[in-house]
Parts: sequence; structure tokens; C-alpha cells
Amino acid sequence: EPEVTQTPSHQVTQMGQEVILRCVPISNHLYFYWYRQILGQKVEFLVSFYNNEISEKSEIFDDQFSVERPDGSNFTLKIRSTKLEDSAMYFCASRPTALAGEQYFGPGTRLTVT
Amino acid sequence: QQPVQSPQAVILREGEDAVINCSSSKALYSVHWYRQKHGEAPVFLMILLKGGEQKGHEKISASFNEKKQQSSLYLTASQLSYSGTYFCGTEVNTGNQFYFGTGTSLTVIP
Repeated sequence: EPEVTQTPSHQVTQMGQEVILRCVPISNHLYFYWYRQILGQKVEFLVSFYNNEISEKSEIFDDQFSVERPDGSNFTLKIRSTKLEDSAMYFCASRPTALAGEQYFGPGTRLTVT
Repeated sequence: QQPVQSPQAVILREGEDAVINCSSSKALYSVHWYRQKHGEAPVFLMILLKGGEQKGHEKISASFNEKKQQSSLYLTASQLSYSGTYFCGTEVNTGNQFYFGTGTSLTVIP
């Protein structure tokens, strides 16, 4: 069964450093999402991506964040200058269509900023 | 825009039933339900579209009241494997912003 994959599973970085989180969505899916979940809290929407551009972004997704689909398979989230409060689990999800389509979540990347 | 869930937490004995509610202030296109176990990704349970339908499989079902912008998840004859945090997720328009609810922690004990 196809699945969404994410790398790395755990990333430790120092405050102020740039990180790139990688996701490989399911191949025939058209909609892609990034979410974050601070430990013990709810899952928060960051951004949705369709047709090679951002569809929507939340207020969390400020200028330090960017997304790309550089090669038609990978979907990346870049955090330019990490802060302590960026420490969280980051989930990627993909969806075949927007109409009545479930989101398939990857296993997540745990980001720890020290 | 974040939907509100109730209750925040519930403890059940095996075999008991539970209802989890999700309420939004926005007109919704769809409601999704997910279950998340500790340290894992959310797992899709079901999706309900506007139209007031009720869906279910086995002992887990859900309803969507479009007029009230409310959805409820029904778990009957709970099993130990039902333990986890349940989130509703809502969409106002398709494919764009998707908001998870505040979460309901469900613990099933023997």
C-alpha cells in the first residue's frame, strides 16, 4: 500500500540554523499539506499546496517558513532561522483530490531546537 | 476558526459507549475524524460532507449536522484499542485550510 514518507525522523538543530524537512507524498496525489504538533497539543495547520503553489497558509506560516516541490516527487518545508518554539513534530500529508478525499499522513519529523 | 471538541477527556471501561462532539463557528464543507496514538501520526477514520449524512463502520460512526455546524463521533462497545486522542478536522472550502479540533483524549480501561 502506498504511503507518505518523511525524512529525517528526528532532527536536532541549534537556534538560528536553517532546517529542511522532506516528504515524499503518494505519487498520484495532488494536494499536499504541512502540519505541526507541539508535544501534547493539537495538530496545527501550516500550509496547503496545489498545482505547484501555496493554496492557503495559516498565521503560523510566516516569512521564516517556505515550501517547495523541487522535483515533482519531494515536498519540502524549510525553516530559515529556527527558534526554540519551533520544536515540534512536523507532519506532511497528501490527498488525491480535494473533493471528499482523506488525507494520508506521514510518520512525522521530530524537530528539536536547542 | 479552530473547531472546539467536547469532552476534553473521557475514561471508559471496555464495552462502554462514548460520544465526542465537534463544533465550528464557520459553515463547513466537510468534517474529518482522526485518531492519534501517542507518538504516531493521525489515522483517518472517516469523512462527512455537508448534507447531514451519517457514516460508520463496525462500532464507530459519525454524524454531521450542517445547520448547526456540528459533528459527533459515536464509539460503541469500546475496545482497549480505541484509546488515543480523537481529533475532528474541518474544511470550509475544499483543498485549502484544514483545521484540527482541540482533541479529545479517550482512555479505555479493562
